[in-house]
Amino acid sequence: EVQLVESGGGLVQPGRSLRLSCTASGFTFGDYAMSWVRQAPGKGLEWVGFIRSKAYGGTTEYAASVKGRFTISRDDSKSIAYLQMNSLKTEDTAVYYCTRGRGSAFYWGKGTTVTVSS
Amino acid sequence: EIVLTQSPGTLSLSPGERATLSCRASQSVSSSYLAWYQQKPGQAPRLLIYGASSRATGIPDRFSGSGSGTDFTLTISRLEPEDFAVYYCQQYGSSPGFTFGPGTKVDIK
Repeated sequence: EVQLVESGGGLVQPGRSLRLSCTASGFTFGDYAMSWVRQAPGKGLEWVGFIRSKAYGGTTEYAASVKGRFTISRDDSKSIAYLQMNSLKTEDTAVYYCTRGRGSAFYWGKGTTVTVSS
Repeated sequence: EIVLTQSPGTLSLSPGERATLSCRASQSVSSSYLAWYQQKPGQAPRLLIYGASSRATGIPDRFSGSGSGTDFTLTISRLEPEDFAVYYCQQYGSSPGFTFGPGTKVDIK
């Protein structure tokens, strides 16, 4: 059974950093791209970015709103995808979901909540 | 970046009625890389349709997707009580920026 479990969320002050993890199981992690999607309270879904599998170079793509501040990485030996978030802003407050793949997402985690507030 | 517009914002219908949701893109969506998701409060989204018209595994056949280019439609042929939710479209043909639409809420009339 495919499972994705996000962790690392919490309360953080503006300008600080936070790293989220997405621990995967039930499939060969290294074969898949992994994506992050977020949802601000009461708002719609926002695509954050993705990382390709090593077979496709392991390269990344980001939404304009987070480019230069957020970094997605992966550790295939541990089946974990990471979202490093720097220079956090209040508007980054959201539930962060990881998904399997780079396009349409069948598998989603339950999400982890990030609150950016002083 | 491709901008998606969904209409209507809210659709008020009764169980058993037909629901027609629209998603319009600011530019042509490459290879019909358009997906539809359903989201209920407190839950992660659920993939319904990918490739504009292919139903995801386990999705009932009352859900259907159609369209190409810039105009796409999600149709729910007969609303069941569990179908009242928010629906999002997403394009994933133009990278970077696999944008989502703002959503359509289907609520009970």
